[in-house]
Amino acid sequence: GAGVSQTPSNKVTEKGKYVELRCDPISGHTALYWYRQSLGQGPEFLIYFQGTGAADDSGLPNDRFFAVRPEGSVSTLKIQRTERGDSAMYLCASSQTGTGATEAFFGQGTRLTVV
Amino acid sequence: GNSVTQMEGPVTLSEEAFLTINCTYTATGYPSLFWYVQYPGEGLQLLLKATKADDKGSNKGFEATYRKETTSFHLEKGSVQVSDSAVYFCALSAQGGSEKLVFGKGTKLTVNP
Repeated sequence: GAGVSQTPSNKVTEKGKYVELRCDPISGHTALYWYRQSLGQGPEFLIYFQGTGAADDSGLPNDRFFAVRPEGSVSTLKIQRTERGDSAMYLCASSQTGTGATEAFFGQGTRLTVV
Repeated sequence: GNSVTQMEGPVTLSEEAFLTINCTYTATGYPSLFWYVQYPGEGLQLLLKATKADDKGSNKGFEATYRKETTSFHLEKGSVQVSDSAVYFCALSAQGGSEKLVFGKGTKLTVNP
């Protein structure tokens, strides 16, 4: 596709349930990032993939959060035993090389609401 | 750790007014600096960037200069338009780091005709 695609655009789930959020990056981009944005705040880093491997997962808040990118393209962010505090916009971005000065292209996000 | 502090909004201006949104950062070494913009209903997109001290990034009439001595990267535009209404985020990517972006909280700009 032309840009970074995230699905679903909205997800409402009950507390305690498991959710998966999908990111389809720009074709050929080796670097992929997940961020979380709460209302009125800037995006906060969760995890960074270079190819298939997680190069930096220091932003994952706890072990309920996990992400994969098995073939170096599509990535899935997985949240177990969701809590109301997990409600936020989850953003995915990709870039060509992952070097610090390279432009990151963002998807429109998945808005997760835990009720 | 690395952090970005930007001017709190919201900011409301009339068309053709001068815009400044302040941004300061804390980081070791020489980070790359960015301004991202989020228009209503759209995803974040890069507005401009600067990768070394004294560099000036510019795009769509917006400018920002990387000032190492004041650790600042203020966004300016000489004459705003209604179409500039958006949320603006200052961000940095640390030198030698994992390429992740550290964002400020964002500043909402509304430009009235």
